[in-house]
Amino acid sequence: QSVLTQPPSASGTPGQRVTISCSGSSSNIGSKTVNWYQQVPGTAPKLLIYNNNQRPSGVPDRFSGSKSGTSASLAISGLRSEDEAGYYCAAWDVTLSGWVFGGGTKLTVL
Amino acid sequence: EVQLVESGGGLVQPGGSLRLSCAASGFTFSTSWMHWVRQVPGKGLVWVSHINGDASDTMYADSVKGRFTVSRDNARNILYLQMNSLRDEDTAVYYCVKGGPLGDSWGQGTLITVSS
Repeated sequence: QSVLTQPPSASGTPGQRVTISCSGSSSNIGSKTVNWYQQVPGTAPKLLIYNNNQRPSGVPDRFSGSKSGTSASLAISGLRSEDEAGYYCAAWDVTLSGWVFGGGTKLTVL
Repeated sequence: EVQLVESGGGLVQPGGSLRLSCAASGFTFSTSWMHWVRQVPGKGLVWVSHINGDASDTMYADSVKGRFTVSRDNARNILYLQMNSLRDEDTAVYYCVKGGPLGDSWGQGTLITVSS
């Protein structure tokens, strides 16, 4: 049982826009910033979004993040086949004094 | 280019010990927060521990507190994770992760299997 809650799966067709949600509490998302990671099967995760909505250099602007209250979202526009991967949210939890991750969302491009 | 290369993984019996190493290059290691994150194959990511640049601040997940110790050698740019009293549930791929922000760069991971 993960501290942050994500839907286990999401899907979309090429070119479509999809969003993935991440729900937490006042001790994590509600008071700290959120990061998002992409993990292609068989490879290490990659930082996609940090500080709620900042993209590291090299990450396409098709990926965007937002946060409201105790929830956050990752949006992917112009979906491509190479976006098929697992996506994880993470935030610092002030009560646990540690980083917490969502359970991950497997995105399928139909 | 940032590179993080883990080593030290393998098969260990329950109750045993193992030390992981992570050789870092391509950035100023001595001022970087570093983390260990693990992942059971096919499952999600779990944060294990972090350490700040001068090793004055370390934190652990409750599941490993008292059993795992994170340390670093800034002269050699190496991050360590000493794992004692290993349990079946510690079986996972362990990633060395650069902070600032968390996950700025990841190693390729090293598999630890705890089994008799």
